[in-house]
Amino acid sequence: GIQVEQSPPDLILQEGANSTLRCNFSDSVNNLQWFHQNPWGQLINLFYIPSGTKQNGRLSATTVATERYSLLYISSSQTTDSGVYFCAVPDDYKLSFGAGTTVTVRA
Amino acid sequence: ETGVTQTPRHLVMGMTNKKSLKCEQHLGHNAMYWYKQSAKKPLELMFVYSLEERVENNSVPSRFSPECPNSSHLFLHLHTLQPEDSALYLCASSQDPGGVSYNEQFFGPGTRLTVL
Repeated sequence: GIQVEQSPPDLILQEGANSTLRCNFSDSVNNLQWFHQNPWGQLINLFYIPSGTKQNGRLSATTVATERYSLLYISSSQTTDSGVYFCAVPDDYKLSFGAGTTVTVRA
Repeated sequence: ETGVTQTPRHLVMGMTNKKSLKCEQHLGHNAMYWYKQSAKKPLELMFVYSLEERVENNSVPSRFSPECPNSSHLFLHLHTLQPEDSALYLCASSQDPGGVSYNEQFFGPGTRLTVL
């Protein structure tokens, strides 16, 4: 199966700071998803991004499929951004997930 | 209701109990999935259904038994579970199953299961 690695594993931010999360994958894929898991366990879809750049408010994502990585940018972070961020790629019938980046935003 | 819903949200059961988890999707999708998320581990796929037919069974113990009566509903029947089965169980759906035509997956809120 496809291996997905995320970095860093943990990130502590002061409110208002910017940050970049990285996702590397071991094989070519035709798509990639970014999720935010809130403290109650809900996985919230952030981006569905095969290549290029997308923006949604203070979040944006860039996937460079030819180099097998994707980046998630958080700008002007808020305490509500805290949680675990996962990237996932299609692998046969399933999504293969990375181990996640745990983000803590302090007021 | 919108999106993907799951009930119950929390479940505590003994090892000899039988219980069922329910998932319903309101997105008109054809594929549904069960994933398991254990502490400190990535999500792992358990089952995939496409148009009510199982297309993937990821070596899951027989104490977990899925049922998909129609394309909108998915159940996970539980019996004689072990404490190590305690985890967050997530249901998801997509327009079609993976493979050639991959589509975006949408997840329910999960059922947090504790086996005593």
